[in-house]
Amino acid sequence: QVQLQESGPGLVKPSETLSLTCTVSGGSINGYFWSWVRQPPGRGLEWIGDIYYTGSTYYNPSLKSRVTVTADTSTNQFSLELRSVTAADTAVYYCARTTAQPSRWYFGLWGRGTLVTVSS
Amino acid sequence: DIVMTQTPLSSPVTLGQPASISCRSSHSLVYSDGNTYLSWLQQRPGQPPRLLIYKISNRMSGVPDRFSGSGAGTDFTLKISRVEAEDVGVYYCMQATQFPTFGQGTKLEIK
Repeated sequence: QVQLQESGPGLVKPSETLSLTCTVSGGSINGYFWSWVRQPPGRGLEWIGDIYYTGSTYYNPSLKSRVTVTADTSTNQFSLELRSVTAADTAVYYCARTTAQPSRWYFGLWGRGTLVTVSS
Repeated sequence: DIVMTQTPLSSPVTLGQPASISCRSSHSLVYSDGNTYLSWLQQRPGQPPRLLIYKISNRMSGVPDRFSGSGAGTDFTLKISRVEAEDVGVYYCMQATQFPTFGQGTKLEIK
């Protein structure tokens, strides 16, 4: 059974870089798209961006200038970097596996999420 | 961006009664391949979201048939024929015709 687990610092200072890793266990990173989605406390969902296992990336235009998503097929992990964070970036960050079939951005599997707070 | 607007934002329902959630998109969700990429997700308290329905009306494996989706173009509906206690949570519509955007969420609670 494939599982996703987010990891990284739970507290980041304003203006610094938020870095998270998602570890894929029980399956391979190959053949899939891997997404990051965030949810500010008590609010809705925002798609951040994704990466295909080959390395192709696609980002939410509103975050594109601050985001980098990378993947490492040798460790079965993919990562998120969000630069120049502010309090507005405080959220639960989810990693997810998506496929293009049977539907575009078919969110078939989610991690449990990790809360990142931006505060000095 | 395609903006997704859900109504109502809160829906108190009696167990065993039906529930309905509406979702409207700011642009048509018909993609160049002729498909409409509108999905519904459920988020139970304290859990990550879970995909329920994709391409308007296709239920994900394991989703009870009391859940159904309908609609076309810019107007879509999620219906639960008979609400059960396990259905409590927040429901989101999501479009994937362009990069994914979500509705604000509708909180389903038991009266």
